[in-house]
Amino acid sequence: KQEVTQIPAALSVPEGENLVLNCSFTDSAIYNLQWFRQDPGKGLTSLLLIQSSQREQTSGRLNASLDKSSGRSTLYIAASQPGDSATYLCAVDGKELFSGGYNKLIFGAGTRLAVHP
Amino acid sequence: DAGITQSPRHKVTETGTPVTLRCHQTENHRYMYWYRQDPGHGLRLIHYSYGVKDTDKGEVSDGYSVSRSKTEDFLLTLESATSSQTSVYFCAIRTRDREGYTFGSGTRLTVV
Repeated sequence: KQEVTQIPAALSVPEGENLVLNCSFTDSAIYNLQWFRQDPGKGLTSLLLIQSSQREQTSGRLNASLDKSSGRSTLYIAASQPGDSATYLCAVDGKELFSGGYNKLIFGAGTRLAVHP
Repeated sequence: DAGITQSPRHKVTETGTPVTLRCHQTENHRYMYWYRQDPGHGLRLIHYSYGVKDTDKGEVSDGYSVSRSKTEDFLLTLESATSSQTSVYFCAIRTRDREGYTFGSGTRLTVV
């Protein structure tokens, strides 16, 4: 059964710092890994998707890497801003044999980020 | 962007009453999912669908049923709501391999 772990659970940093959020997963047979952002009381916004054949993806100040063989992904946020304050969720898309071979997205518990001025 | 809407956005209901939440998509994607999100538990899969009339259970399916009679609609029903089903419910669609998943805005359900 796929399990996704995110470290740290919470992070508080001053504005301007570069950050690394970590995600690990137990089953390396994944299709994609997707990073989401969630603001309090809101829905999920997709930030980056890394396909299993890719090593990294970049969008603006965000860079996500994937090491499928070791079951790890990192989300790098450069020059953090107060507007980056949110919960960041890592999720892996894969198939599990017992489910009949259909894709499912499994989430980590998230990293709650606070960036203060 | 994939069009996905959930209704209602908020609902308060009494213990023991049936409740149905609706997820509607506009792009005929095959896969649809229902998740619930609770503090301390993150997002957990309730049920999913891989086609019209084709559904299966996720990890927290007890007390829930689903139906998909049309490609665009995926309904989640709480047959007899309990306080433990107070949660935020999210619907998702899996678009294409290179695009991943898109989520609806969520339904906040309170069972009193």
